[in-house]
Amino acid sequence: SAVISQKPSRDICQRGTSLTIQCQVDSQVTMMFWYRQQPGQSLTLIATANQGSEATYESGFVIDKFPISRPNLTFSTLTVSNLSPEDSSIYLCSVELAVGTGELFFGEGSRLTVL
Amino acid sequence: GQNIDQPTEMTATEGAIVQINCTYQTSGFNGLFWYQQHAGEAPTFLSYNVLDGLEEKGRFSSFLSRSKGYSYLLLKELQMKDSASYLCAVRSGSWGKLQFGAGTQVVVTP
Repeated sequence: SAVISQKPSRDICQRGTSLTIQCQVDSQVTMMFWYRQQPGQSLTLIATANQGSEATYESGFVIDKFPISRPNLTFSTLTVSNLSPEDSSIYLCSVELAVGTGELFFGEGSRLTVL
Repeated sequence: GQNIDQPTEMTATEGAIVQINCTYQTSGFNGLFWYQQHAGEAPTFLSYNVLDGLEEKGRFSSFLSRSKGYSYLLLKELQMKDSASYLCAVRSGSWGKLQFGAGTQVVVTP
């Protein structure tokens, strides 16, 4: 298993500002994934964070709105920029320890509320 | 893209059996996964099917029919702690990239 720490666990932000979420894993992993879970809904993949290259974004998500960093094999950040109330959601970091198994381990999530 | 359909909610009594169905449409199918998510917590992995048939893991079993685009998760001997949302997820292509269904909220009653 993996221990995945996310910070902050929750935050309340003003419209127009940005929030950066950190994800730290206790082992080296090739790919890290950022998901969003809006209230009462399931998880939607935002992007795949690759070490040493640009993140790969899913349809509907763009780098200007969700810039991602992946400086090493154990750490990644997701920034949610120019916040609006529609960005209120839980953001989850996840990793696949054993490549190919599909067994994702998730962080506890970062709950964002935008006023 | 994928369409993943599962019921919104199911209710069952303690000790009973519940079957959660999931249908999907996808190109390049590369595995079907079930996750459990308790309220306010992160999802946890339950099972993985890539070939047709039944995979059993204790009280939980998962079935897959690729030709029908169909899977189910079977929960036996239900316990109160099984009250949670159960998420069906499909992988097509890249490792680790899963597309999740909306989830089925299972409510276990005494």
